[in-house]
Amino acid sequence: AQTVTQSQPEMSVQEAETVTLSCTYDTSESDYYLFWYKQPPSRQMILVIRQEAYKQQNATENRFSVNFQKAAKSFSLKISDSQLGDAAMYFCAYRSNTGNQFYFGTGTSLTVIP
Amino acid sequence: EAGVTQFPSHSVIEKGQTVTLRCDPISGHDNLYWYRRVMGKEIKFLLHFVKESKQDESGMPNNRFLAERTGGTYSTLKVQPAELEDSGVYFCASRSDGDRYGYTFGSGTRLTVV
Repeated sequence: AQTVTQSQPEMSVQEAETVTLSCTYDTSESDYYLFWYKQPPSRQMILVIRQEAYKQQNATENRFSVNFQKAAKSFSLKISDSQLGDAAMYFCAYRSNTGNQFYFGTGTSLTVIP
Repeated sequence: EAGVTQFPSHSVIEKGQTVTLRCDPISGHDNLYWYRRVMGKEIKFLLHFVKESKQDESGMPNNRFLAERTGGTYSTLKVQPAELEDSGVYFCASRSDGDRYGYTFGSGTRLTVV
């Protein structure tokens, strides 16, 4: 079964600094997708970034980038130039190419310090 | 475009009572998913509807949970009778059939059973 592990329950970062959130996963599949979702307090969960496992190039979305290490089954999220609006719970998620179901980690609560 | 709407946003009920959660997906989205996050743990899949049919209900914890999607529009998730361990945040997500990546999540319903 697929599992996703986020080992950092809480992280904090100074505004304008860079922070990296860790995520590891376990799967026997070769074709899958990895995601980072963000949920601000009492608001909907939104997609931050997506990575297809068959792509070697790390995905980037503005200030958000990932470090995808397929062999190590690691998928970390780097947030550059952190802003107050980045404060949220971040969830790492896995989805098989053939399935509909997401497998989520336990989440990392990110605080941005002004 | 309106997002995925869930209500109530919060619900506090006593053990043994019944609670019904509702999810209104984005109009036209045939796929509707329910997930649950128990405090401090990962978000777990409950079930998946395609229109009004249950495509996958492998994540439903037990027969105290009943999900319906009459007419293929909104969905309800009823817990009867509620137990303490049912407390958590219940998320709904919807997706158009033609969009493999476009999952839209709601803000969740926080259920507390006392």
